[in-house]
Amino acid sequence: GAGVSQSPRYKVAKRGQDVALRCDPISGHVSLFWYQQALGQGPEFLTYFQNEAQLDKSGLPSDRFFAERPEGSVSTLKIQRTQQEDSAVYLCASSLYGVNTEAFFGQGTRLTVV
Amino acid sequence: SQQGEEDPQALSIQEGENATMNCSYKTSINNLQWYRQNSGRGLVHLILIRSNEREKHSGRLRVTLDTSKKSSSLLITASRAADTASYFCATSLIQGAQKLVFGQGTRLTINP
Repeated sequence: GAGVSQSPRYKVAKRGQDVALRCDPISGHVSLFWYQQALGQGPEFLTYFQNEAQLDKSGLPSDRFFAERPEGSVSTLKIQRTQQEDSAVYLCASSLYGVNTEAFFGQGTRLTVV
Repeated sequence: SQQGEEDPQALSIQEGENATMNCSYKTSINNLQWYRQNSGRGLVHLILIRSNEREKHSGRLRVTLDTSKKSSSLLITASRAADTASYFCATSLIQGAQKLVFGQGTRLTINP
């Protein structure tokens, strides 16, 4: 497909469970971003990759959150020992290069921790 | 933390009317972008305006940027029911990391 693809679209996890969220960016896009969006709020930055290098992880809320992009394409956001406050929509975006080029967002993964 | 603030938080108008949404921000920017988000969907990029630009148009959309007032506006002319969505401004900071900082959004409802 031509767009950013995220899977799964919906995930229900029991508190304490580990989850992995996948993002397939647009082919050829150097930059990949993860954002977290709480209900009724704007997206908040989590982390940024330039190719396979994670250049900024300042937005990750705790050390339970981990992201990787080992081959500079597909990225995975992993949340260990999920807690209720992790419930949110997780959005992935890619761009040709950085934030001064148009970012294309995926549909997001809605995570509900019960 | 969110640098942008949209105003109003919610707007309801009749189909065919114009809709204006405003965004204010706090620190100097490289560019400002507007996105649309339909309920339960991802964000769709609308317009990017650079800090040295004052106005941009795209179809029925018009964006202005006033860096002296640290504010931007999005005008949608001749609104349609399909324009019903949340609209977000996002800024790229001059002395910042490679990230967009989003506001809380304006919820626009177009009544048929």
